[in-house]
Amino acid sequence: SQQGEEDPQALSIQEGENATMNCSYKTSINNLQWYRQNSGRGLVHLILIRSNEREKHSGRLRVTLDTSKKSSSLLITASRAADTASYFCATAPTAGAGSYQLTFGKGTKLSVIP
Amino acid sequence: DAGVIQSPRHEVTEMGQEVTLRCKPISGHNSLFWYRQTMMRGLELLIYFNNNVPIDDSGMPEDRFSAKMPNASFSTLKIQPSEPRDSAVYFCASSLDGPEETQYFGPGTRLLVL
Repeated sequence: SQQGEEDPQALSIQEGENATMNCSYKTSINNLQWYRQNSGRGLVHLILIRSNEREKHSGRLRVTLDTSKKSSSLLITASRAADTASYFCATAPTAGAGSYQLTFGKGTKLSVIP
Repeated sequence: DAGVIQSPRHEVTEMGQEVTLRCKPISGHNSLFWYRQTMMRGLELLIYFNNNVPIDDSGMPEDRFSAKMPNASFSTLKIQPSEPRDSAVYFCASSLDGPEETQYFGPGTRLLVL
């Protein structure tokens, strides 16, 4: 079953606006990761946030993690047309959870209109 | 580094034929993963190798699928016989040490079984 569920499924914004995507999950995690996939390409790792971290930044990306609500958000500031892609969250379970798979959600499809 | 290399990039075959997908992970990575991506089911883990040993193959759909990793720099995923429902994009990924760490994806093999 899918561990991470992204919301919304699709998002369309104007260039320069901020884009926020959310991810909810069900079980305890070791870390949560965000990946980007351009059409017809493989996934590219964006950022990893560990369970004891609450916020992390990388360039125009900001990721928050709320383990009490089992949710994370990815904020892309000052979006560009090149940010158009699908964004996936992936959760790594804690040790002893019975599974060590990195489980991916179905993604949010972001369209940035020039 | 060249990243994860997959071949072929595209494969069109007829039902019943054998299909072999190939992957070269990033040098120095000890973990390798095979994923399948479809619109309906999203990204699914098929099998995970650590130090060339299959650790988790619970995602392999059925006996028609098999995977090998004869050495640290090469892995194959074989489907025999192939069926139309196997049509998907197959990704290989590698990580430095374990599934919970950042995974680096190859460009994928787009498989179409007629």
